[in-house]
Amino acid sequence: DTGVSQDPRHKITKRGQNVTFRCDPISEHNRLYWYRQTLGQGPEFLTYFQNEAQLEKSRLLSDRFSAERPKGSFSTLEIQRTEQGDSAMYLCASSFPAGTVDEQYFGPGTRLTVT
Amino acid sequence: AQSVTQLDSQVPVFEEAPVELRCNYSSSVSVYLFWYVQYPNQGLQLLLKYLSGSTLVESINGFEAEFNKSQTSFHLRKPSVHISDTAEYFCAVSGFKAAGNKLTFGGGTRVLVKP
Repeated sequence: DTGVSQDPRHKITKRGQNVTFRCDPISEHNRLYWYRQTLGQGPEFLTYFQNEAQLEKSRLLSDRFSAERPKGSFSTLEIQRTEQGDSAMYLCASSFPAGTVDEQYFGPGTRLTVT
Repeated sequence: AQSVTQLDSQVPVFEEAPVELRCNYSSSVSVYLFWYVQYPNQGLQLLLKYLSGSTLVESINGFEAEFNKSQTSFHLRKPSVHISDTAEYFCAVSGFKAAGNKLTFGGGTRVLVKP
């Protein structure tokens, strides 16, 4: 296994369009996280799944955002009616909790540009 | 709630000189502490972590960080940097397992190593 993968790596879209990103975690990892990183800032937590259950969502995740992990493997993040403020790097991470803390492994990210 | 402050947004440093990246955090619960590195056009990679025990933790490539509970700090140091250390460094905290393992990141410190 080569790590967490994300597709696409870059996406340019016009304001008002819908976009969907995909994340494939490391195969044995049952936790999957989504973060958003805007230019010059650190990543901010959006949501996470344990298996197929979405356990927590940030207040940053407006109604236009939805995330799924239907079979507990890959996950998708959809943004409806994109706005220019959605332009950011969307990062996915996965982990397998062992002991007291789970070490998160990050993918390369999907860079979204909304024009 | 947790927050992380990285006091320097950019640190220029000459090759073979020492570097220190400052990180302070606040939290109402006990936390785990991490440093991640992001090389240009790559995803985040875990550099080192503090979970418990010895307050000084080391990475395989010469970085070390010291947890100071009284000052709520987790500064990162390297006694002699290389050109290849040019990257952005993020300090992050995570609550204990029961409180969720989402990461809260600082704003990042960009290190530019000059020859």
